[in-house]
Amino acid sequence: DGGITQSPKYLFRKEGQNVTLSCEQNLNHDAMYWYRQDPGQGLRLIYYSQIVNDFQKGDIAEGYSVSREKKESFPLTVTSAQKNPTAFYLCASSTTGGDGYTFGSGTRLTVV
Amino acid sequence: AQSVTQLGSHVSVSEGALVLLRCNYSSSVPPYLFWYVQYPNQGLQLLLKYTSAATLVKGINGFEAEFKKSETSFHLTKPSAHMSDAAEYFCAVSDWDTGRRALTFGSGTRLQVQP
Repeated sequence: DGGITQSPKYLFRKEGQNVTLSCEQNLNHDAMYWYRQDPGQGLRLIYYSQIVNDFQKGDIAEGYSVSREKKESFPLTVTSAQKNPTAFYLCASSTTGGDGYTFGSGTRLTVV
Repeated sequence: AQSVTQLGSHVSVSEGALVLLRCNYSSSVPPYLFWYVQYPNQGLQLLLKYTSAATLVKGINGFEAEFKKSETSFHLTKPSAHMSDAAEYFCAVSDWDTGRRALTFGSGTRLQVQP
């Protein structure tokens, strides 16, 4: 079955380290997205990509970076510049028509 | 930019009672609207979506929502709550017409179902 795979499910990071969250989809979707979820704040858009080799900043891009070298993959790097990285991160992809979005099962990142 | 308001961060109902979760959006153009459900430590599951077809949209698990352009609302309802409906619910709008083409979410409503 087609879907989105996020790994790892749980991730622990020490202060000052960069970490990369993986997101892979086999839905043949052109667009992919990264969201951050904090309690009581809903989901906020970090970065999105409408096509391979192109991506745009979302609402809270500071301290994060992405790449889109393949259609299937959209990894997110949480850099040491992100002051409060502890959160639940969700990856999504969508059809070109904008009427269908699929979400991964998320990665919970904790700074220790 | 689009915005979505969900009234009530917590809603509690008795098992068998009506569920009503409120969602209002800001847009001058009828957007695509979605309701998602999230169980603890899981991703989002699509309940239903409005994409400019019928204004009354039926979804999974007995949920439905009505798009009301005059009220810029897309409230979610279920006639009879079940214990398994306890979860967090998110309303979202697609910024497709503005070009951003990403979902903007409300802050969520946590539904509790009392026995």
